[in-house]
Amino acid sequence: GAGVSQSPRYKVTKRGQDVALRCDPISGHVSLYWYRQALGQGPEFLTYFNYEAQQDKSGLPNDRFSAERPEGSISTLTIQRTEQRDSAMYRCASSPPPSGGTNTGELFFGEGSRLTVL
Amino acid sequence: DQQVKQNSPSLSVQEGRISILNCDYTNSMFDYFLWYKKYPAEGPTFLISISSIKDKNEDGRFTVFLNKSAKHLSLHIVPSQPGDSAVYFCAASRYNTDKLIFGTGTRLQVFP
Repeated sequence: GAGVSQSPRYKVTKRGQDVALRCDPISGHVSLYWYRQALGQGPEFLTYFNYEAQQDKSGLPNDRFSAERPEGSISTLTIQRTEQRDSAMYRCASSPPPSGGTNTGELFFGEGSRLTVL
Repeated sequence: DQQVKQNSPSLSVQEGRISILNCDYTNSMFDYFLWYKKYPAEGPTFLISISSIKDKNEDGRFTVFLNKSAKHLSLHIVPSQPGDSAVYFCAASRYNTDKLIFGTGTRLQVFP
């Protein structure tokens, strides 16, 4: 597709269940990012990949959160044993390869997956 | 620890006037700054950026100013239009890393 695609758009789950959120980046984009956005806040960095390598996972809140991008394209963010505080909009973004050795930093965001934990 | 701060949660401006959105940062290692715009039910979209080697970057009605000594940047929109009504996020990164740190956003409303 033309843009970053995320699924599901909406997910309601019960506390203690595992959830998997999927991101399909723009074709040809090397880097893929996961952010979390609470209501009234800016996107909060979780983790990012260059190709299939996870470069930085410093933003993952705890070990219940994990992400993978096994073939360097689609990525899955998994939250195990969900808690109510995990409720938020989860946003995926991708960026193209650096041009002329420079990373412009521009990210292309998907519409997000809204997670509600009851 | 909020490294990028937008202290004004909202701003209301009359159509045709200038909108000025402000952003402050604390990390002196940041050297690339971006503004994103977000409409309801959509993801943020890139608007304009500036490198730390510059103090101004202009793109049509949008101009970003950077004051490194004050660790402050601002986005000017002139003239403001009703279609500019959205939430604006400031973001910053270090040159050799891809991670963007976002501010909390400012909701701009442009009224006729």
